[in-house]
Parts: sequence; structure tokens; C-alpha cells
Amino acid sequence: RKEVEQDPGPFNVPEGATVAFNCTYSNSASQSFFWYRQDCRKEPKLLMSVYSSGNEDGRFTAQLNRASQYISLLIRDSKLSDSATYLCVVTVTTDSWGKLQFGAGTQVVVTP
Amino acid sequence: DAGVTQSPTHLIKTRGQQVTLRCSPKSGHDTVSWYQQALGQGPQFIFQYYEEEERQRGNFPDRFSGHQFPNYSSELNVNALLLGDSALYLCASSLATGTEETQYFGPGTRLLVL
Repeated sequence: RKEVEQDPGPFNVPEGATVAFNCTYSNSASQSFFWYRQDCRKEPKLLMSVYSSGNEDGRFTAQLNRASQYISLLIRDSKLSDSATYLCVVTVTTDSWGKLQFGAGTQVVVTP
Repeated sequence: DAGVTQSPTHLIKTRGQQVTLRCSPKSGHDTVSWYQQALGQGPQFIFQYYEEEERQRGNFPDRFSGHQFPNYSSELNVNALLLGDSALYLCASSLATGTEETQYFGPGTRLLVL
């Protein structure tokens, strides 16, 4: 079983619509959680950290459910520029500080 | 303020050859991590360097080795290249303080092994 699993998609989303997707992780000791965005043939870029109480950054909302071991990302009012692969990332701080464990990514395609 | 830089951007090698990839961290950062990203996959952690020493390592064979220099820049070396080593190699830098290390990625080196 992979340590971090994501639905690969693609999620085809009309411009202006809302899209949400999840990521599950297997290690209950995971302590830090992030969403990275990766454009085609580019490097991953940090989109947002995910906090226990949930957090928003503009049109993006991230949630963490420790009991069920998943995190989610919701994008409201989708823009064409939101088309990208979204990578779920977790770290197990106690024994692998700084080692990011990536999911394979969820592809989002926003259409006009 | 320069971000993370990597060289070369692209590289073509043949099986059995050796390759060296280079990374300069973001200004002020002292920790460098290397990742391998195969097509359609997420990045996989190779190893991390801090204070010129390998601090931790992922599940990669000894053919993968690295080095960190006093100026915090780093090299990744891969010996006896295999076809399966073809991938995007990403370097990420961070600052080893606090409880959360936000990592910033360079543009990567695309390696093709023929």
C-alpha cells in the first residue's frame, strides 16, 4: 500500500465551478500536511499548508481529518489558471524530519 | 533573491554511464533534499544533506550518492545508470529551524538514459 494515495483524475471542471478532492495517508504518525501544485513539466510549488482546524487561502480551502487519515482540497470559482496537478504531501516529523512523502497527484483541468 | 537553481536542465546518457547533477539552494537556506520524479508519479525522496552530511535517506540504492559543499550547494551522483533512472530530478532547499521545514524546489534536471 502506498503511503500517500490520491485519485489521479483528471477532474474536468467548468470555469467558475467548485471542485474538491481528497488524499489518504497510511501513517498515523504523520504530523505535517501540505498541498503542492505542479504545472506540466515544472517543479512543484507549495500551495498551502494544512492545519488541524482547516484553513483557507483565497479560493482554496484545505481540511484535515486525522481520525480517517485524509486531507482534502476544495477550489471555489475555478479559473483556467487552476489547471494543474495537485500533489498531496505529508511528513512524519519524528523520524523523517524534512522528508516529504508525495502522492502521485490529482490532475485538474478547468475548461472555458 | 535567487531561488533554487539546478544544472544542467536536460541530460542524455547511456546505460552504465555516470552522471552528476548540481543544485544551489535558495539564499539563506542550509538544507538540500533530492527527489526523483518518474513520469506520472509524485516525487520520491532520495536523500537530504545538512551541514555537509547525509541526514536521512530514502529507498534508493548505493548507486545514488551525494555531497554538500560548505556554501550549501549540493551534487547528486548516479553511477551505473539504468534505463529506469530516466526521470526528473528535483532539488529542494529549506532552512533547518523550527518544526516545519517548508521546502522550495528548483526547476529540476531531466535525465534520459538510453
